[in-house]
Amino acid sequence: EPEVTQTPSHQVTQMGQEVILRCVPISNHLYFYWYRQILGQKVEFLVSFYNNEISEKSEIFDDQFSVERPDGSNFTLKIRSTKLEDSAMYFCASSELPGTSNTGELFFGEGSRLTVL
Amino acid sequence: AQKVTQAQTEISVVEKEDVTLDCVYETRDTTYYLFWYKQPPSGELVFLIRRNSFDEQNEISGRYSWNFQKSTSSFNFTITASQVVDSAVYFCALSDSGGYQKVTFGTGTKLQVIP
Repeated sequence: EPEVTQTPSHQVTQMGQEVILRCVPISNHLYFYWYRQILGQKVEFLVSFYNNEISEKSEIFDDQFSVERPDGSNFTLKIRSTKLEDSAMYFCASSELPGTSNTGELFFGEGSRLTVL
Repeated sequence: AQKVTQAQTEISVVEKEDVTLDCVYETRDTTYYLFWYKQPPSGELVFLIRRNSFDEQNEISGRYSWNFQKSTSSFNFTITASQVVDSAVYFCALSDSGGYQKVTFGTGTKLQVIP
């Protein structure tokens, strides 16, 4: 079964360092997303990406964050200068183009746990 | 603004009991989508179901069933004959008419099934 894969599964970094989280969405999917879950809290939307541009972003997704699809397969989330409060599980997700025959499911990766010290 | 409320923070049941997880939502959209996701201790998010706002039929899938009531803005989830493997955090979620954009999650209900 196709799946969304994320690397690394866990990253520890020092405050102020740049971090890049990588995702490989399902190959025929065209919508890509990043969500964040601070430990013990709910899953929060960060950004959605379609047709090589951001289609929507939340207030959490400030100038410290950026996303990129550098090639035909990867989708990355960059945090420019990490803060302690960026410590969280980051989930990548992808979905098919609307209107196709599907369940409307967001396929989530297994998450990348970021720990900022 | 969209909002999803899961008032039950934690529920404990004994194995084989039935359990209902409540979800109440708010949206101004007339077309929207509701989801349930399961997050086991391993941390991944597992899709369980998606309903659109025009389909109020209840759904049953094995031991799982969902009751969607537009009149009360609720989308409750029942597990029949619970099993230890059902222990997880369950999230109710809502997305707008696009169905493929921002998904708003509730705060989750942690279900513990005791053997």
